[in-house]
Amino acid sequence: GAGVSQSPSNKVTEKGKDVELRCDPISGHTALYWYRQSLGQGLEFLIYFQGNSAPDKSGLPSDRFSAERTGGSVSTLTIQRTQQEDSAVYLCASSRKLDGASYEQYFGPGTRLTVT
Amino acid sequence: AQSVTQLDSQVPVFEEAPVELRCNYSSSVSVYLFWYVQYPNQGLQLLLKYLSGSTLVESINGFEAEFNKSQTSFHLRKPSVHISDTAEYFCAVSPPGGTSYGKLTFGQGTILTVHP
Repeated sequence: GAGVSQSPSNKVTEKGKDVELRCDPISGHTALYWYRQSLGQGLEFLIYFQGNSAPDKSGLPSDRFSAERTGGSVSTLTIQRTQQEDSAVYLCASSRKLDGASYEQYFGPGTRLTVT
Repeated sequence: AQSVTQLDSQVPVFEEAPVELRCNYSSSVSVYLFWYVQYPNQGLQLLLKYLSGSTLVESINGFEAEFNKSQTSFHLRKPSVHISDTAEYFCAVSPPGGTSYGKLTFGQGTILTVHP
């Protein structure tokens, strides 16, 4: 596709269940980012993958959150034992290798997660 | 570490009036600066960016922002707004290098509502 895609678009889950959120970045983009957007916290960085380098996990709020990126393309964000405070819109973005001449993160439409 | 403060959570204006959305940042290192826009029911899109060079940057739809290093500000302006500019606007910063290269820190957002 032409843009970043995310699935599912909406997810409702019960407290305590695990969820997996998927991101398909733009083909050829080596950098991939996860953010979340919630009413109380605004837009927060979660994790960042750049090529084959170790990911920057500094934004993950707890050890219940993890992410992987397989084959340098698709990424999955996993939240274990979901809590109500995990309810938010989870955004994925990708960008080309930073070359100093063009720098833009292209955002997907997001996955709205509701924990009941 | 960086932080971004958007001084107004909501800005209502009438069509064809000028508008300024304020953004101040704090950082111990130099940063790249961005404005992203989120139209109703759409994903985040890059509006404009400052990486280096001229401190005044412009977007294709008439917005402009000026980087002021001494005041650590990057305010967004438009001389005459349209109904279609109604959206939420996010100011963001990113370090230009290092291990956090590419990680965006966002402000809380400003909802611009343009009234007829």
